[in-house]
This record gives sequence, structure tokens and C-alpha cells, in this order.
Amino acid sequence: SQKIEQNSEALNIQEGKTATLTCNYTNYSPAYLQWYRQDPGRGPVFLLLIRENEKEKRKERLKVTFDTTLKQSLFHITASQPADSATYLCAPEGWDSNYQLIWGAGTKLIIKP
Amino acid sequence: DVKVTQSSRYLVKRTGEKVFLECVQDMDHENMFWYRQDPGLGLRLIYFSYDVKMKEKGDIPEGYSVSREKKERFSLILESASTNQTSMYLCASSRGHSSSYEQYFGPGTRLTVT
Repeated sequence: SQKIEQNSEALNIQEGKTATLTCNYTNYSPAYLQWYRQDPGRGPVFLLLIRENEKEKRKERLKVTFDTTLKQSLFHITASQPADSATYLCAPEGWDSNYQLIWGAGTKLIIKP
Repeated sequence: DVKVTQSSRYLVKRTGEKVFLECVQDMDHENMFWYRQDPGLGLRLIYFSYDVKMKEKGDIPEGYSVSREKKERFSLILESASTNQTSMYLCASSRGHSSSYEQYFGPGTRLTVT
């Protein structure tokens, strides 16, 4: 069955450094993948979508890559700030449930000043 | 500013009670979704709807039902609440009939069943 894995351990990064989060998927090949940010007590907020024919996508300090050979997406935040601290969720297209998104459990990112 | 609202932020119910969770979106979106979110697990899709009076089962529909009588409103019903339905419930909406469209989420309802 389809499986989405994100690092369950919190990622601690020093302010100003680049944070890199990983999303791995197994047993299928999604056509696209979305990344969301979730703050405590709030619903997720959409950040970026990347398609299988796009190797990389950027938005301001954010960069997402999609490696269909490794079955992996990487999410980078450059020049990280304490305000970037949140949980980041990846959500590839699913092949079950009428191709609805399948959600990773998220990685908690902590940016230390 | 686009908005998805949910009827309650916190709710405490007793086992066996019928529970209604309401969600309203003001973006004229076709799609609406109900998820539950539990620690250590990703969002799990309960039901979704492509259009008024249409509904589709997600991954975990057991113990839940939904209603969509108007385009902007999507209700989740727990017919007989049980303690294993204690969770955070999130409603979302999106335009179009493809899951490639971004989803807009409400603030969530934290439901406790005692």
C-alpha cells in the first residue's frame, strides 16, 4: 500500500541556516506533491505544489525538489528565522480514495535564535 | 480574504451522543473535505464531497456520516460518539475536481468523547 514518511523527530536549526525536511513515499508514483505548514492549534496552510515533471520549485526562501527516482521530495527553507518554526506536512497525490491527497505525519521544525 | 469556519473550536461529548460538526466556506469551492488528525499520524480523510448532495468515502468513514445540502456547508455527523473518536477534526475546501488544487483549512474542532 502507499506509504508516506516524514522524519518524526523534531528538527532543530540555528537561525540563518538552511533547514531541509524530507518526504519519502513508497509503492507508487504520485503525479504531484504538496507541502503545507501547520502552526499549533491551527489548520494547515498551503505552501507549494510540485509536479513530477518539475525537478525544483521556488517561492521566496522556500525550495522544493521532487526526485521520482529516489521517491523523495525535499523541502528547504533558506536563511531560516524563528518565525519559520512550525510543523511541515507533505501530501502527495494518492492512488486510492479517488486520487485524494495522502498526508505525512509532519516534521516539527524549531529555529533557534 | 478566503475563509473556512468551523462551528466549534472545542467540544466535549458523552459516549453514545450524536455529534454534529459544521463547516462553512465562503470561496464558492466545489470540493469540501473532513479529516481527523491524531498525534503521530497524518491527516486521515473521512469523507469528501465534489458537489451539493454528493459524498465520497475517504479512508476512515466508519462511524461517521456527512451532509452537503448547500455548496458552502459540509457537516460531519458522529451517529453515536465513542471514545476512539476523540480527535482533532479539520474541514477543508478546494476548487475544481483535482486534488492538485490547494486546500484551505478551517481552524479545527478538538472533540473529546468521555
